Amino acid sequence: EDQVTQSPEALRLQEGESSSLNCSYTVSGLRGLFWYRQDPGKGPEFLFTLYSAGEEKEKERLKATLTKKESFLHITAPKPEDSATYLCAVPSGGSNYKLTFGKGTLLTVNP
Amino acid sequence: DTGVSQNPRHKITKRGQNVTFRCDPISEHNRLYWYRQTLGQGPEFLTYFQNEAQLEKSRLLSDRFSAERPKGSFSTLEIQRTEQGDSAMYLCASSLAPHNEQFFGPGTRLTVL
Repeated sequence: EDQVTQSPEALRLQEGESSSLNCSYTVSGLRGLFWYRQDPGKGPEFLFTLYSAGEEKEKERLKATLTKKESFLHITAPKPEDSATYLCAVPSGGSNYKLTFGKGTLLTVNP
Repeated sequence: DTGVSQNPRHKITKRGQNVTFRCDPISEHNRLYWYRQTLGQGPEFLTYFQNEAQLEKSRLLSDRFSAERPKGSFSTLEIQRTEQGDSAMYLCASSLAPHNEQFFGPGTRLTVL
């Protein structure tokens, strides 16, 4: 069964304290790995898609990387506005569109 | 705003009542998805449309759930005889084939009393 596991479940950082979130996956035939940001009471906001091991994508203070078994979301010098739940997802069940999500990492950045 | 929109944003109903949610995708997107999310969990796939055709339904989608996408535009998700276990955030997403990136709406939060 395809699975996505995210760690840690929650992470508290001080403003400016860089860290990484982990997403490990088990899927037969990776068809992409997606990162989303979700604020409380809102829908997920698309951040990145990664398709092959070694690929990297960047957006402001966020950088996503991909290996054959896991992906990392690196947060450099975070600000309080980066506080959110970060979700990763992979297409599963042999499809390109049915996303299986992890439970997310709740990131809190204190000023 | 040209993003995915969902209505209503909140719905409170009594157990046993029927509810219907609407999703308007990004205008040029031909794929539309419904997901359900409960507290502390990631979204779970419910169903998928390509244009007006419903191509897949999850086992999570019991007989009380039905989704439609007439004319390949907006979509509705109906839940009949609601149960307390149906309380969740119902999320709609859309994408433009062949791209796989899905863009989500703000969700409809359902509370069944």
